[in-house]
Amino acid sequence: DAKTTQPPSMDCAEGRAANLPCNHSTISGNEYVYWYRQIHSQGPQYIIHGLKNNETNEMASLIITEDRKSSTLILPHATLKDTAVYYCIVLNYGGSQGNLIFGKGTKLSVKP
Amino acid sequence: NAGVTQTPKFRVLKTGQSMTLLCAQDMNHEYMYWYRQDPGMGLRLIHYSVGEGTTAKGEVPDGYNVSRLKKQNFLLGLESAAPSQTSVYFCASSRSITGTIGQPQHFGDGTRLSIL
Repeated sequence: DAKTTQPPSMDCAEGRAANLPCNHSTISGNEYVYWYRQIHSQGPQYIIHGLKNNETNEMASLIITEDRKSSTLILPHATLKDTAVYYCIVLNYGGSQGNLIFGKGTKLSVKP
Repeated sequence: NAGVTQTPKFRVLKTGQSMTLLCAQDMNHEYMYWYRQDPGMGLRLIHYSVGEGTTAKGEVPDGYNVSRLKKQNFLLGLESAAPSQTSVYFCASSRSITGTIGQPQHFGDGTRLSIL
């Protein structure tokens, strides 16, 4: 079972920031938070990951709370092409192969 | 740079037929994975490999076999296809995991398989 809880769907206006929340209250100290997205009919696309600190790359920002029990993925200026299902995954690499466990994710709809 | 390439993209089989799905990556990644995705569900891991010549079972391995004879290729075989194996199959690869440092997985665009 997925270790995360996400809202099933969200809407966002084009050009505005999209803030996607994720709860992972049982996360342990050595588990990373990963975000992937899946645009219809395509393979999942890696977005960003983090352990404790906030992270930013060319696609998005990841804000992790101090207690690490929740995080928020931020798409700063959403476009229509960002319409996709977004998956938040927690993963412990210690000694494992690191297989991803996908839940149902959040379906983000970016509207004109 | 093609990344992860899956062949074929679509296939229709009859029950009992066999086939092999091919995954090729050009990123020199050590780890490779096969997932399946059914309608309305997340991905589930079938088999994975942590290096050339090694394979291991994932969450849903029954009815599938895999081989990793070359580092860049990971094959998924269905010996006797069943309608329950109708799905979209995704291959992924990643760098090797060192200690607890995370490595993202990179996915192909999938193979859509229908079994009648």
